[in-house]
Amino acid sequence: QKEVEQDPGPLSVPEGAIVSLNCTYSNSAFQYFMWYRQYSRKGPELLMYTYSSGNKEDGRFTAQVDKSSKYISLFIRDSQPSDSATYLCAMSALTGGGNKLTFGTGTQLKVEL
Amino acid sequence: DAMVIQNPRYQVTQFGKPVTLSCSQTLNHNVMYWYQQKSSQAPKLLFHYYDKDFNNEADTPDNFQSRRPNTSFCFLDIRSPGLGDAAMYLCATSSRSRRDRATDTQYFGPGTRLTVL
Repeated sequence: QKEVEQDPGPLSVPEGAIVSLNCTYSNSAFQYFMWYRQYSRKGPELLMYTYSSGNKEDGRFTAQVDKSSKYISLFIRDSQPSDSATYLCAMSALTGGGNKLTFGTGTQLKVEL
Repeated sequence: DAMVIQNPRYQVTQFGKPVTLSCSQTLNHNVMYWYQQKSSQAPKLLFHYYDKDFNNEADTPDNFQSRRPNTSFCFLDIRSPGLGDAAMYLCATSSRSRRDRATDTQYFGPGTRLTVL
């Protein structure tokens, strides 16, 4: 079993839709949760960063963490064609060796006009 | 803007011919990482430098080496590239203090796409 599971998609939605992207994980030591957006042939760009359980909102994006269920989500409101990209979840635990990120495989999102 | 820069963006090499990828940063971050990302896969950490301290992942092949001559630059050397090494190579940086290792958000460069013929 992978430490982080993420549905690869592709996910296709109409412009203006609410998008829900999710990851599950198995390592209870993970404390820090991130969402990255990666456009085709580009490097990942940090979107959201959360610590522990709860919600965090930034513009049209909301990140949600449920540590009891080992489940994190990213919601995108009023989705735009420019949101079309691959979304990677990433998580880390505080370890003696440093802060290694474990990524999901990414969900490919396409927002259509 | 402060950023992470990778050169070249595209690199073609021949099977077995050594290749060097470079990364530079203007963020003055003390940690630099190299990741390998194959198509439709998660980025895989190869190694990272915490200041001058080199940290290799256990499953990183010996074929991959790295150098960090100063804070701003880091190089990835692939000594004898094989066909399986064709991938996107991502450099990332973060600012981490020894007191608070937990908060080093990583910032990525645009990547170098390596093709091995």
